[in-house]
Amino acid sequence: AQTVTQSQPEMSVQEAETVTLSCTYDTSESNYYLFWYKQPPSRQMILVIRQEAYKQQNATENRFSVNFQKAAKSFSLKISDSQLGDTAMYFCAFMKHDSNYQLIWGAGTKLIIKP
Amino acid sequence: DAMVIQNPRYQVTQFGKPVTLSCSQTLNHNVMYWYQQKSSQAPKLLFHYYDKDFNNEADTPDNFQSRRPNTSFCFLDIRSPGLGDAAMYLCATSRGASGRYNEQFFGPGTRLTVL
Repeated sequence: AQTVTQSQPEMSVQEAETVTLSCTYDTSESNYYLFWYKQPPSRQMILVIRQEAYKQQNATENRFSVNFQKAAKSFSLKISDSQLGDTAMYFCAFMKHDSNYQLIWGAGTKLIIKP
Repeated sequence: DAMVIQNPRYQVTQFGKPVTLSCSQTLNHNVMYWYQQKSSQAPKLLFHYYDKDFNNEADTPDNFQSRRPNTSFCFLDIRSPGLGDAAMYLCATSRGASGRYNEQFFGPGTRLTVL
């Protein structure tokens, strides 16, 4: 069975700083997908970034980038130039390649950006 | 804009009084999901529909039922809400193809309070 672990329940940084959220996972699958979802307070869950396991290149989306270490089963999210609007719960999630529905979720990291 | 809509956003019910939450989507996705999310926790999948095929998670209580009368709409029925059912209920959709195209899109959620 797959598991996803986020070891940081809560983090806070000053606006404009860079912050890295950690995520590790356990799987025997070779082909899978990893996601970071963001859930702002009282707002809907949105996808921040996705990574296909077969791709060696780390995914980036504007200020968001990942450090995907397949051998170490690590998938951290880096937020550069953090903004107040980045304050949210961040969930790491795993999905097998041949799955058409099941996301395995981490427990989440509450990120607070301080002005 | 294509989206996932949930109504109502806030629902208050009494202990034991049946309640129905609704979800609609304009994305024309094959799969619709219902999640339960308690405070600061990861979403917990209750069930999902792949087209008309209903898939119940093994640990979803019998108190929770779902209906999907057409592609666009899906309902969550809680037959006899208990205090422990107070939570945010998230609806999500995905195309249903395996792999990266199975990104899940979330609605804003319905916060259920049980008195």
